[in-house]
Amino acid sequence: DAKTTQPTSMDCAEGRAANLPCNHSTISGNEYVYWYRQIHSQGPQYIIHGLKNNETNEMASLIITEDRKSSTLILPHATLRDTAVYYCIVRTPNFGNEKLTFGTGTRLTIIP
Amino acid sequence: GAGVSQSPSNKVTEKGKDVELRCDPISGHTALYWYRQRLGQGLEFLIYFQGNSAPDKSGLPSDRFSAERTGESVSTLTIQRTQQEDSAVYLCASSLERRLAGPQETQYFGPGTRLLVL
Repeated sequence: DAKTTQPTSMDCAEGRAANLPCNHSTISGNEYVYWYRQIHSQGPQYIIHGLKNNETNEMASLIITEDRKSSTLILPHATLRDTAVYYCIVRTPNFGNEKLTFGTGTRLTIIP
Repeated sequence: GAGVSQSPSNKVTEKGKDVELRCDPISGHTALYWYRQRLGQGLEFLIYFQGNSAPDKSGLPSDRFSAERTGESVSTLTIQRTQQEDSAVYLCASSLERRLAGPQETQYFGPGTRLLVL
């Protein structure tokens, strides 16, 4: 699976949009981009995933560049409960074993 | 509905003792994963179950670690002769089996078991 690069930490004011970048320059054609987050003392939580089109769900939006070498997770109106470590992963489909490997992610702090 | 549950939530043990960690996946989820997360670090894969079989045990760090799953449901991770470096949060996740082409199935995580070996 391709490696990803994320900033170590970011701050965002409450109510503003939080934009979390991820570089995955070695992504291959059949790899998906996934985002998970982990709130302190909890298990990881799935947020969103995409292949090449931009995606939106009730939690967030995912913007993938045309060359697919980077993506941005957008939390449109950040709240204090969005403070967490956010993990960007790119993965090749492996029907059956979908084991995840997280790096250290981006620690997002929402400032009141 | 009920999510993935794990027990105990916290476990403190002495070096050399054996521990058992339990995972109850979401009902109907055939895939089950165990991960380990050391303090301040990312997620480390341990073992994957499809049904009651474990086709991928490649992440188990030593032969002191073992896991089983019964009834395509509950799984137990056992650590024998615990060492201080085993201290970590042990996370369990489950997902639906997906054999058709398409995006990977979402994994749902439990709250983890925080293990401290003194």
